[in-house]
Amino acid sequence: TQLLEQSPQFLSIQEGENLTVYCNSSSVFSSLQWYRQEPGEGPVLLVTVVTGGEVKKLKRLTFQFGDARKDSSLHITAAQPGDTGLYLCAGAEGGATNKLIFGTGTLLAVQP
Amino acid sequence: GAVVSQHPSWVICKSGTSVKIECRSLDFQATTMFWYRQFPKQSLMLMATSNEGSKATYEQGVEKDKFLINHASLTLSTLTVTSAHPEDSSFYICSAQALTSTDTQYFGPGTRLTVL
Repeated sequence: TQLLEQSPQFLSIQEGENLTVYCNSSSVFSSLQWYRQEPGEGPVLLVTVVTGGEVKKLKRLTFQFGDARKDSSLHITAAQPGDTGLYLCAGAEGGATNKLIFGTGTLLAVQP
Repeated sequence: GAVVSQHPSWVICKSGTSVKIECRSLDFQATTMFWYRQFPKQSLMLMATSNEGSKATYEQGVEKDKFLINHASLTLSTLTVTSAHPEDSSFYICSAQALTSTDTQYFGPGTRLTVL
């Protein structure tokens, strides 16, 4: 069974601080996605990374895919209260079904 | 584009009854839909993969006779929780994979099930 471990599990920071969330696995994925989910809603896709070593930026969010395509990180610069939510990484198995294996999740709270 | 809806958004039922949850792709066709469940402050756990016109593939540990999945058309999949018990209370989320873009799953807003 493929597992994606995220760290930290919980993070409470002040507005303006920077943070990094890690997503690690012993398995190789064809691609890796990051989602943000708010309470009572479905997850919303932030980014998909496909190539080992790839770095993508989305405003204050920077995503990196590990060279071996087993791990990824999400860095948020100058966090804002609107960044509060559950951050999930998900690895795509590829192949015919292309199932997603979700990480354990990181609950972020940004205090104003 | 690429909107997925779920109905109902929340449901409360008595123990022993069955509940049906619908997942619809509103503006695209989806050969494959996925059903997940999520407990509070936890991640999404894949329950089953639903393919249009064929039997669903269930993940290990998920009872296929308890969680009935039907994918009758390219825009609709249903999940029926049979003989529901309080431990089935959870947030159920579906996603749909477009015919033209199998790399992306589009997620529904989820259905909150509470079994009394």
